[in-house]
Parts: sequence; C-alpha cells; structure tokens
Amino acid sequence: EIVLTQSPDFQSVTPKEKVTITCRASQSIGSSLHWYQQKPDQSPKLLIKYASQSISGVPSRFSGSGSGTDFTLTINSLEAEDAAAYYCHQSSSLPQTFGQGTKVEIK
Amino acid sequence: QVQLQESGPGLVKPSQTLSLTCTVSGGSISSGGYYWSWIRQHPGKGLEWIGYIYYSGSTYYNPSLKSRVTISVDTSKNQFSLKLSSVTAADTAVYYCAREVVSYDSSGYFDYWGQGTLVTVSS
Repeated sequence: EIVLTQSPDFQSVTPKEKVTITCRASQSIGSSLHWYQQKPDQSPKLLIKYASQSISGVPSRFSGSGSGTDFTLTINSLEAEDAAAYYCHQSSSLPQTFGQGTKVEIK
Repeated sequence: QVQLQESGPGLVKPSQTLSLTCTVSGGSISSGGYYWSWIRQHPGKGLEWIGYIYYSGSTYYNPSLKSRVTISVDTSKNQFSLKLSSVTAADTAVYYCAREVVSYDSSGYFDYWGQGTLVTVSS
C-alpha cells in the first residue's frame, strides 16, 4: 500500500498569504495524485487532478505541481472561504489511499 | 448535473451487517469510464477508501476490509450498495459514495461525492 504523508498537519494563515501543502508518496506514483478540499460538515470537493490539472469552477488561486513522489498544492492569496481540510489522493496503485489531511485555519 | 445520495440505517448493532445504498441521478451508472466507490471517514479523521465497482459488476476491495466488504450494483435502479459485515465500534464513520473518473491506465479521481451518511455502531 502506498502511504501519502502530508505536511504540515495544521497551518494558521492570514488572508492574502500564500499557502503551500506538500504530499509525499512512499513510492513513485507518476502524476496520479489528486487534491481535495473538505469544509466542515461537507463532502470533499475536487480541486486538482493528476498533480497539476485544473478543475472547471475551482478558483485559479489553487494550483498543483510535482510528479513521482513529491507533490505540492499551492493556494495563492488565501481567502477566508479557503478555511478547510485538504487531502491528497493517489490512484496509481490499489488500494487507493489518501494523505492524513492538512487543516488550514484563517487567523 | 450528476448527484449521488447515500441511504441506509444510521445505527447498527455490533456484530451485525451495515448496509448502505447510493442512488445516482443525472447520469447512468451503466455508462463506461467510471468506477463507483465507497469511502469512509472516522469522526474527526481522514479518508479511507473502501472499494469500488464497475457497472459490469467487477470489484476491488481495500485489503484492510476485504474479508467483510461486499459492493454490488443494480443498473436497473441506477444504484450501487455497500455491505460491511461483523461491524464493531471501529466502523463508526461517515460513509460516502463517489464517482471516479477512470483514465486509460486505470487511475482516476473522484469528481462527484454524496453528502455522506453517519453510521454509528452501538448496542
């Protein structure tokens, strides 16, 4: 099973700041890495697919990069509505797995 | 717009079988290119993928739950279902159904999710 490790676990950020969340895979997964946002009491929402591909309707301040074992989700100019937990997900190898999540709090 | 909706008991007794159904609207479960998955989230915790089914009936289960899980599909009702046997308190979680868009190499991403349903295992 591929283990995804996110860092940090928690981040407290002021509005307009840049946020960087990393996801490291225990073995190479190519670009089969996807990012989701989950707000309290909501289901996860797809933000980025295949490491860096944007999703229609998702604000352009969200971007992704990386390949192999190291991936990054970047939120440029954080807004108050971005307070949420963020999860990475790999579908390169079964069973599919998720990172433990990163909670972003707005100061 | 595709929508998924979970349904089933919110309370299950220990050692019994948890049964949930996901009803898909706005799209056919029989259209190729998608896996239909169950994912759960323990209270305050992260996401755990349980398994998926293709409309043809082929399945894959997470080895951590494989001995207790059955996922089935009813294309006539545009539904797929989850059964988890011999439940314990550790199976208390929010259960989500989700659609996975599958690529040529069998990798995929979840583009639509149900709202989730909390299942509590307690006597």
